[in-house]
Amino acid sequence: NAGVTQTPKFQVLKTGQSMTLQCAQDMNHNSMYWYRQDPGMGLRLIYYSASEGTTDKGEVPNGYNVSRLNKREFSLRLESAAPSQTSVYFCASSEVDWSNQPQHFGDGTRLSIL
Amino acid sequence: DAKTTQPNSMESNEEEPVHLPCNHSTISGTDYIHWYRQLPSQGPEYVIHGLTSNVNNRMASLAIAEDRKSSTLILHRATLRDAAVYYCILNDSGGSNYKLTFGKGTLLTVNP
Repeated sequence: NAGVTQTPKFQVLKTGQSMTLQCAQDMNHNSMYWYRQDPGMGLRLIYYSASEGTTDKGEVPNGYNVSRLNKREFSLRLESAAPSQTSVYFCASSEVDWSNQPQHFGDGTRLSIL
Repeated sequence: DAKTTQPNSMESNEEEPVHLPCNHSTISGTDYIHWYRQLPSQGPEYVIHGLTSNVNNRMASLAIAEDRKSSTLILHRATLRDAAVYYCILNDSGGSNYKLTFGKGTLLTVNP
């Protein structure tokens, strides 16, 4: 089982460029999440989708947009990349968005913005 | 939101038990205690969670103090593969899963 798959694994962008990070899960989960992790820090939630057709802002949504394309896929878009968005991005999913449900994470996209 | 306090780092020897502590003195009655770990260059991995009673699974055990103000993640026999950052997280059972807040965690080093 693949679990949560993120593409690409690595990317370098120039300031002002746009990019979409892709995430897909094969566990039939209803809820999906996007986090970022800066060096030496814990994860911070950017956006989440409790179920297909819904999205909500997390802790650090500025500069990002998301699309819940279908139940499997949840994409994160940077419209105009800035150096402050250099980070490792993790996608996660859970069966439902209840607080006793474990989240399953992908291996991350390492994004550098010059 | 209730917060957790963990040591920055701990060290263990291979095949010995490891007890990772977490203090959460402001925990509310509805907060679940979750543990995740993150191996180098990987995404976080769910380990275990509980509410009031001690919990066991194939990866670890979770011991929760009677007053719930602290908990301990127990790895019964540490292996080199258990070297990771371990996160103790509180999640309000009255709320949504999006409230998972990852702090800096405990960096566990396992010596061969």
